[in-house]
Amino acid sequence: NAGVMQNPRHLVRRRGQEARLRCSPMKGHSHVYWYRQLPEEGLKFMVYLQKENIIDESGMPKERFSAEFPKEGPSILRIQQVVRGDSAAYFCASSLDRENYGYTFGSGTRLTVV
Amino acid sequence: DAKTTQPTSMDCAEGRAANLPCNHSTISGNEYVYWYRQIHSQGPQYIIHGLKNNETNEMASLIITEDRKSSTLILPHATLRDTAVYYCIVRVHGNQFYFGTGTSLTVIP
Repeated sequence: NAGVMQNPRHLVRRRGQEARLRCSPMKGHSHVYWYRQLPEEGLKFMVYLQKENIIDESGMPKERFSAEFPKEGPSILRIQQVVRGDSAAYFCASSLDRENYGYTFGSGTRLTVV
Repeated sequence: DAKTTQPTSMDCAEGRAANLPCNHSTISGNEYVYWYRQIHSQGPQYIIHGLKNNETNEMASLIITEDRKSSTLILPHATLRDTAVYYCIVRVHGNQFYFGTGTSLTVIP
């Protein structure tokens, strides 16, 4: 039973490029959460999605960031026109339902903007 | 969700019990206490959670005071692999998990 799979593990982008981060939730999980962890800081909630719907995006930056979780395929976190300040570890988590007792996190994608 | 306060760092000798405290004096009646840990560069790992009663699983024990204003996570026999940042989070079911800065636990050989 595979856990939450994130890819790529490491991603290097030049300033101004686009970054696409993928997250495949655990089998049977239809709720996905994205978190960002800046260097030497704690995890910050970004967005919560259920299949085809964004439920809570209160932690998403207003510009350049978007997320989707289509009916088929992984959840995608997309960052347009990346800047150096976007360099961070991005973690995805999934759960079976909203009234859940805990999230299962993936190993993260480390984005480096050069 | 209520705010939590944890010590910034702690040390523990290998093989001894690690007791990690957490204060959550503004916790409300429907908020659960959760503990996660993050081993360097990895995704957070769920440890345990509870509402009122003490809880135990294969990883740890959670002791919640009667007034629920504080709790302690106990790792009964700490190993080097338990070196990590431990996060105490209080949360109403259905809300997101908000992580603070946690306690950096170092297990010393």
